[in-house]
Amino acid sequence: AQTVTQSQPEMSVQEAETVTLSCTYDTSENNYYLFWYKQPPSRQMILVIRQEAYKQQNATENRFSVNFQKAAKSFSLKISDSQLGDTAMYFCAFMKPNTGNQFYFGTGTSLTVIP
Amino acid sequence: AAGVIQSPRHLIKEKRETATLKCYPIPRHDTVYWYQQGPGQDPQFLISFYEKMQSDKGSIPDRFSAQQFSDYHSELNMSSLELGDSALYFCASSPTGNYGYTFGSGTRLTVV
Repeated sequence: AQTVTQSQPEMSVQEAETVTLSCTYDTSENNYYLFWYKQPPSRQMILVIRQEAYKQQNATENRFSVNFQKAAKSFSLKISDSQLGDTAMYFCAFMKPNTGNQFYFGTGTSLTVIP
Repeated sequence: AAGVIQSPRHLIKEKRETATLKCYPIPRHDTVYWYQQGPGQDPQFLISFYEKMQSDKGSIPDRFSAQQFSDYHSELNMSSLELGDSALYFCASSPTGNYGYTFGSGTRLTVV
C-alpha cells in the first residue's frame, strides 16, 4: 500500500516570504504521479501542482514549485512571495495510474500567511 | 469553464435515515470519484466509476452504494446513516488519461 506523510501539521509564514511544505511517500512503484492540493476555508479542493515521476524536471506553476527527489521519495512544495490568499490546508497526494486512479492523501499541513 | 457540480451543498439527516448525494462531472469527463473527508481528516477514497462501470473501490461501507448513469452523472446512496457518517463528501472527475482530478465543492452531510 502507498502511504503519504506530511510531518508539519501547521506552519506560518509572513506575507511576501517563502515557505516550504514537506511531503514524503512510500511506494514500490516506478510510475506514479504526485500532487499538491489546496483546501481553503471554503473547503474546495484546488489542484496546485502536479509532478509525473518519470520527469526529472521539477514542476513549476507561477509562485508554486516542487522539489521532487525520487530516490528519497520526497516531494516538497515551495511557495514564493506568499499571499494572504495562500492561507489554506495543503494536502500532498500520490496516485498510481491505471489502477482506478485513486489518490492517497497525506494528513495535510495547515498554512497561515501572516500580514 | 464548467466545474464539477455537487448537490446538495448541505444535508442534515437523522440517524438511520437515507441520503442521496449527486455529482455532475465536467462535460466529456468519463471518470468519477467519490471521497469522504471527516472533520480534521484527509480525504478517503470511497469508489470510482469509468464509463458507467465501477473501476475501483476503497473504504466504502456496505451501507453505501453508488452508480454512474448514462449521462455520466453519479449518485452516492447512503442508508442506515450513523453519526460517524457526518463528513464532507467530495466528487471529482477526470477525462481519460488525465491524472489530475477536478473536485466539486463537496456536500456537507450532518447526521443528528
